[in-house]
Amino acid sequence: TQLLEQSPQFLSIQEGENLTVYCNSSSVFSSLQWYRQEPGEGPVLLVTVVTGGEVKKLKRLTFQFGDARKDSSLHITAAQTGDTGLYLCAGAQDNYGQNFVFGPGTRLSVLP
Amino acid sequence: ETGVTQSPTHLIKTRGQQVTLRCSSQSGHNTVSWYQQALGQGPQFIFQYYREEENGRGNFPPRFSGLQFPNYSSELNVNALELDDSALYLCASSLTQGSYEQYFGPGTRLTVT
Repeated sequence: TQLLEQSPQFLSIQEGENLTVYCNSSSVFSSLQWYRQEPGEGPVLLVTVVTGGEVKKLKRLTFQFGDARKDSSLHITAAQTGDTGLYLCAGAQDNYGQNFVFGPGTRLSVLP
Repeated sequence: ETGVTQSPTHLIKTRGQQVTLRCSSQSGHNTVSWYQQALGQGPQFIFQYYREEENGRGNFPPRFSGLQFPNYSSELNVNALELDDSALYLCASSLTQGSYEQYFGPGTRLTVT
């Protein structure tokens, strides 16, 4: 089973600061997704990256898939309190959309 | 277009009992996956159903079983509940089998005492 690691585990920053969280594996994934989960709710899909080296931007969020498709990063510019939540990365183990492997998540707190 | 819904939202069961959790997939989606999320951890894949057939399974024992109905809604059944089964159970629907994008419901919080 392929494993995903995420770092840091916890992050607490002030509103307006920038941050980067990381998702790493020793295995190759056909695609990788980032989700944000708030307490008592299910994860909400933010982005899917498929091609090695791919960069996607979603407003203040920038996602990058590593060239070898083993790692990914999420960069948030000028964080806002609404960005607070658990950020999860998930890798697809095959090309059939089955069996996504999730990392343990990075819990982000953005303080006013 | 309605999103993924799950019922019940919370459930308390006793060790050894059986439980059934329900999920209605997003309109137009024929694939449903179930995940277990223990406190402080990421979701773990239990299994996926595509057009009423099991289409992949994670590392969970046979006492975790499921069904998918012709309308693509789904059930997760857990027999002989153990204390470690306490978790948030998440259902996610996808447009079809090969879709990378999946949309999660709010989950069912199961507590086993």
